[in-house]
This record gives sequence, structure tokens and C-alpha cells, in this order.
Amino acid sequence: DAGITQSPRHKVTETGTPVTLRCHQTENHRYMYWYRQDPGHGLRLIHYSYGVKDTDKGEVSDGYSVSRSKTEDFLLTLESATSSQTSVYFCAIGLAGKNIQYFGAGTRLSVL
Amino acid sequence: AQRVTQPEKLLSVFKGAPVELKCNYSYSGSPELFWYVQYSRQRLQLLLRHISRESIKGFTADLNKGETSFHLKKPFAQEEDSAMYYCALSMGSSNTGKLIFGQGTTLQVKP
Repeated sequence: DAGITQSPRHKVTETGTPVTLRCHQTENHRYMYWYRQDPGHGLRLIHYSYGVKDTDKGEVSDGYSVSRSKTEDFLLTLESATSSQTSVYFCAIGLAGKNIQYFGAGTRLSVL
Repeated sequence: AQRVTQPEKLLSVFKGAPVELKCNYSYSGSPELFWYVQYSRQRLQLLLRHISRESIKGFTADLNKGETSFHLKKPFAQEEDSAMYYCALSMGSSNTGKLIFGQGTTLQVKP
């Protein structure tokens, strides 16, 4: 599993509340990514990080923010959750120079 | 714009039949292509990458730059191949390792 853990694994929340998802890695990889997985859309990149405090937007970043204050943790925050953000969220780490990614087990988020 | 297209949402075959999961990409530079697989209740994992030119679990994929395709093939499907398959593109010169994924194809192998 490349030392990647996501928490929580499942969450149900209400519209308008803030939500933070955590991705933790144990192998000191520089690159980390957040995706959302939706039927018919595949995996879409939300944000990514290439080092501590270095982050950038992906394809579907609106309504999301991220932080990376330590190498091992990459946090995804939904500032004010909406029903359209109901999805499965995957974190991944990237092997530098190889363009290969290893994925976490995912977080299933339901926004009611 | 860079894009990966998997035209089939669902591919259903019988055990022992050949399988071809289609993937087409749009990228003007030098691409690197991957296939990822997600078995039921498991995390997404790398199946193969074009630069390795290897066969994993009987699957192969050849990059066809003329047709901008990277189709995944297996001559004889097994029930354990049932899973969601994603084709992914890396813009090779990028140093951020970002991948662009297709929409995914569910492969269902019937007994």
C-alpha cells in the first residue's frame, strides 16, 4: 500500500459544513495528489503538491483547498460542502521521475 | 488540450474470450501511457506502463502514436479480471508527475 492511509474512510455531512480529509504517507515522497472519482468522469485531479507548502490546482479545484505543512500529510478541505461534492476521494503519492502513482484506499463522502 | 478517452463504460465478455479495452489520447508531445486497475474493494493499482513493454496478468498494451491509442488486450479473459480499468496519460516532460485519467471501463467476465 506504499504506506498511504486516508482518514476518515467514510463520512456523511450536511450541506454548508466544512470537511477535512487527511492523507498520510510514511515513505517521505515529495509528490502527493487528491482526486475525486465519479461515475462517467473517471478520476479527476483536484489539487496536488510537490513539497511542503508547495501546492497547485488541478482540473476541478473550485470549492476545495489543500495544505501540506509536513511531508507526510496532505489535507483536503471542502470549505462549505455541497451535494455535488458527494464522491469518493482518493489520495495518491508519486514516485519522483517515474510518473507512477500509488493510491490510498479512498474516502467515501456523502453530503446531504 | 490533453485528454484520455475510454469509449466503453462497460465491457462484458465470457470467460476464455479475448478482451480489448480501448483507450485513445490527445497530446501533442511525447506521452507516457498507463493502465490502472481497481478490483472490487481494493485500491487503484498500476497494471502496466507502455515504456515497460511487459505483460502483467496476461494483459498487454501497445502504444500506437499514429492512432493515438493504447488499447489493453488479453487473449483469454478470466473471471478474476473483472474490475474497473483506467487508462492514464502522463505528459512526459512534466516534472510534477500529474496523470490524466480516462472515464474508466468496467470489465465484467461472465462464467
